[in-house]
Order: sequence, then C-alpha cells, then structure tokens
Amino acid sequence: NAGVTQTPKFQVLKTGQSMTLQCAQDMNHEYMSWYRQDPGMGLRLIHYSVGAGITDQGEVPNGYNVSRSTTEDFPLRLLSAAPSQTSVYFCASRSGNSYEQYFGPGTRLTVT
Amino acid sequence: KNEVEQSPQNLTAQEGEFITINCSYSVGISALHWLQQHPGGGIVSLFMLSSGKKKHGRLIATINIQEKHSSLHITASHPRDSAVYICAVMYSGGGADGLTFGKGTHLIIQP
Repeated sequence: NAGVTQTPKFQVLKTGQSMTLQCAQDMNHEYMSWYRQDPGMGLRLIHYSVGAGITDQGEVPNGYNVSRSTTEDFPLRLLSAAPSQTSVYFCASRSGNSYEQYFGPGTRLTVT
Repeated sequence: KNEVEQSPQNLTAQEGEFITINCSYSVGISALHWLQQHPGGGIVSLFMLSSGKKKHGRLIATINIQEKHSSLHITASHPRDSAVYICAVMYSGGGADGLTFGKGTHLIIQP
C-alpha cells in the first residue's frame, strides 16, 4: 500500500493563478480531509469528506474548493491563488471503523 | 470555538532528561492524537487515545477524560527526539469530521 499520497511536493504560483493539489489513498478510507499548516497558527482544517460525493467545510474553507467523485481521490482546488494561501498543505484519511489518521507527506505551496 | 491548548510551547532539555508535554481540550472528544513533526518534514502519528495510557518504546501517552487532559512523556530523551510534538483531537458530536490541533511544542534535546 502506498498509503496517502500528495502531488506535487512543491509548487510556486503567481497571484491569480489556479491549481489543484492532488490527494489519493489506497486504503479504501471513507473519511478524507485537507489541512493547512502556518507558522504560529498550527494546522487548521480546510475541507473534509465523509464519503464519495459528500464534502463539507472546515475552519478555513475560503478560497478553496473540493470534490470527492471517487473514494480514492480528494483534490483541493485553488481557483485564484493569493499570497495568504502560501502554506504547507496536508491531506489525511481514516477508515469509518477507526479514528486512526493517516497523513500524506504534504505539499509546500508558495504564492508570489 | 473548541480549542486545544498545549504547554509548553518551547522546551529545551539535556539528553537523558524525562520530558512531559501537556494538552488540554474543551469539550467531549472521540479520540486524541499525539503527532510528531521534524523540521521541514511530514507528520508522524505517535499515539491515538480515547482512554487510559499507551506506551511505545520510550514514549508514553496518557489521557484523563474527566479532566480533559492528556500528557506525552519521553523517558531517557535523546537528541533525535528533537521535533515538534502536536496534540490533536477529534471532537465528538455534531456530525463533523476532521481534527482540531494544538499549536505544537518545539522540543530540543541537547547532547
């Protein structure tokens, strides 16, 4: 099992550009979530999904869109990147039978 | 807003010392996680607790549900334990998912 994978590892965007951060898991986990990590703020929940076709907002959803068309994939879309979205992004997943969390390796995004 | 408080924020100790990091939270939880992150690195899950105590090697985690408090202990600390330790909880109820995190404890173990 690859576990939770994220691509890309690093990305630099200009303000206003769009991009999609990819997250995939091969453990058949129902629950997936996206977090951003900022110095002094810790990790904060952006969006989460409790199954294919079902998503909801977390603490800091503004500027981000998500969809969950398959169990395996949970992409995070930035429609118009802003410098405030410079951060490290982590994806995580868990089974519906356990609260054990599995984290991806992260994507470091810089918006100039 | 449900919060997670960690203390201390920063901790520097000598090799071999016994380390304690504390975490408190505000309302009922389904589970509490202790995570480790090295500089520039990914997040490693150390423990998941819903009650009692767990031990893995030199690491021990305890939780007191009534007091809404958890501690992470490191015995015989070593420089390779230097990292950020993060407490995270999954609050119960409300139908939402996802974790709420403390801001982390920066631990430095000097040789």
